[in-house]
Amino acid sequence: DAKTTQPNSMESNEEEPVHLPCNHSTISGTDYIHWYRQLPSQGPEYVIHGLTSNVNNRMASLAIAEDRKSSTLILHRATLRDAAVYYCMLKSQGGSEKLVFGKGMKLTVNP
Amino acid sequence: NAGVMQNPRHLVRRRGQEARLRCSPMKGHSHVYWYRQLPEEGLKFMVYLQKENIIDESGMPKERFSAEFPKEGPSILRIQQVVRGDSAAYFCASSPGYNQEQAFFGQGTRLTVV
Repeated sequence: DAKTTQPNSMESNEEEPVHLPCNHSTISGTDYIHWYRQLPSQGPEYVIHGLTSNVNNRMASLAIAEDRKSSTLILHRATLRDAAVYYCMLKSQGGSEKLVFGKGMKLTVNP
Repeated sequence: NAGVMQNPRHLVRRRGQEARLRCSPMKGHSHVYWYRQLPEEGLKFMVYLQKENIIDESGMPKERFSAEFPKEGPSILRIQQVVRGDSAAYFCASSPGYNQEQAFFGQGTRLTVV
């Protein structure tokens, strides 16, 4: 499975936008970019995923670089509930379908 | 549609006992994944199962651990002769099996070995 790198942690302020970066320089053409997050004492939850084009859903937006070697998860208005560990992962189109979690990035949201 | 249900939520076992963790996937999901999370660490993949088949067990310890997903009933992660190092949160996830569909996670079972 291809690897991703994220900062260990980030801080943001409530009601401000947050941009969470992820590097995946060895991504292959059939790898999808997936984001999950884990709130304290809970199981992970899906946030968003994409292949090449930018994606939007009710939780967040995903901006994917043209060369696909990096991506950015955008939370448009951070809330206290968004404080969590965010995981950026690659999932190949074929082969094993498991998600491989890295260390993730801890987001702190200040009131 | 109920989410992924794991039980028990908390389990305490003495060293040497057996631990059985249950996972009921979401309705219509035929793919189940088990992960382990040690305190202050990330999630480590253990095993991926489809109904009655183990697809990928590359993350399972070679001894004492086994998993099944029978035709009927929940998926079971079984740990025999537990040791203190098995203390962790065990998460189960399910998906419908379409390649890029999201996985839904349960709330986990927190195993404490005393």
